[in-house]
Amino acid sequence: RKEVEQDPGPFNVPEGATVAFNCTYSNSASQSFFWYRQDCRKEPKLLMSVYSSGNEDGRFTAQLNRASQYISLLIRDSKLSDSATYLCVVNPGTYKYIFGTGTRLKVLA
Amino acid sequence: SAVISQKPSRDICQRGTSLTIQCQVDSQVTMMFWYRQQPGQSLTLIATANQGSEATYESGFVIDKFPISRPNLTFSTLTVSNMSPEDSSIYLCSVTQGILAKNIQYFGAGTRLSVL
Repeated sequence: RKEVEQDPGPFNVPEGATVAFNCTYSNSASQSFFWYRQDCRKEPKLLMSVYSSGNEDGRFTAQLNRASQYISLLIRDSKLSDSATYLCVVNPGTYKYIFGTGTRLKVLA
Repeated sequence: SAVISQKPSRDICQRGTSLTIQCQVDSQVTMMFWYRQQPGQSLTLIATANQGSEATYESGFVIDKFPISRPNLTFSTLTVSNMSPEDSSIYLCSVTQGILAKNIQYFGAGTRLSVL
């Protein structure tokens, strides 16, 4: 089992739609969790961090379920500019960060 | 957040040559990380660069192929040696800032390497 697993997508959704991604992790001792956004040919940039049960920032909500070992990212009212790859990143309690393979989102006009 | 300058941003190299990538951070950091991202894939950690000691390499990566320098707390280099087309990839340096489990990782803009 991979340490961090994501559905690669692509998720093609119309503008204004709500879309959710899930990410599962294998190490139950993991301390912190992140969603990064990566645009084509660009570096990953932090979107949200999740340390307890969840976090919300505008149209974006991240939730953590420790019992089932997954985190989710919900995007409401999708914009064309939300089109990107969303990387799930887990810190298992060491100095290393484990990256998922990313979920591609394409928001269609 | 940390500001990371990475250069070159891209290069096209011949097989058998070497390329050194530089990473400069605007503040002192204990650890710097080097990642590789192959086309269509996620990030793979190559090594962790520690100031004052040898870099720590991940499984599948060796110092002879990817020598790393870390002369001070704001700078590091990664060399891709004796390149082959399989080394064509994006190379990213990163640092973490924060406290304990709330460390956040920041990335340089990456070096896009093509080996002919």
